[in-house]
Amino acid sequence: GAGVSQTPSNKVTEKGKYVELRCDPISGHTALYWYRQSLGQGPEFLIYFQGTGAADDSGLPNDRFFAVRPEGSVSTLKIQRTERGDSAVYLCASSRLAGGPLEQYFGPGTRLTVT
Amino acid sequence: AQSVSQHNHHVILSEAASLELGCNYSYGGTVNLFWYVQYPGQHLQLLLKYFSGDPLVKGIKGFEAEFIKSKFSFNLRKPSVQWSDTAEYFCAVGRGGSQGNLIFGKGTKLSVKP
Repeated sequence: GAGVSQTPSNKVTEKGKYVELRCDPISGHTALYWYRQSLGQGPEFLIYFQGTGAADDSGLPNDRFFAVRPEGSVSTLKIQRTERGDSAVYLCASSRLAGGPLEQYFGPGTRLTVT
Repeated sequence: AQSVSQHNHHVILSEAASLELGCNYSYGGTVNLFWYVQYPGQHLQLLLKYFSGDPLVKGIKGFEAEFIKSKFSFNLRKPSVQWSDTAEYFCAVGRGGSQGNLIFGKGTKLSVKP
């Protein structure tokens, strides 16, 4: 079946602008995760949704970052007043809901460049 | 705080050589362990996982990993690498029994010379 999809694949924006990054998880997956991967680093956790609610947002770096998942499927990561340090690949992953831990399936990522 | 260390930044091997990539984590409780692979131009894919049971786990494409609890390690191995194994490999740890976030290492880039 279809995997996790993310749009856009690339986004270039000017410092101070607002951006939205979209994630469409695998159908039926109730858990959704956002990570950020900077050059030379592994993915770094941002936020995790279980259904519509954010179960853990401890990885969001500051209040310029916000994410929503209003209907428990598609999620949008929103970044206000972008800074050059926000440049990175933003990854989305999803997993099924079950009684225990399950692997996360990753999308291709959105490469954000802030100029 | 939890952390994951991958000992090698870049490993260069010839085809048919054996591979071992180190991964150590810091967390005292029960853990779920993963190795993900990212081939050039592709997204992260799961290579193998350990949740419980036999500490020696086998994944796709001939890879295996061994969980050694006393050493907080989960090293990845392959007896004979191929040129197609050229990729970046990430070790990741999650808290046992949880569906929460994963902590990733910085990754090891593997280059296999034909």
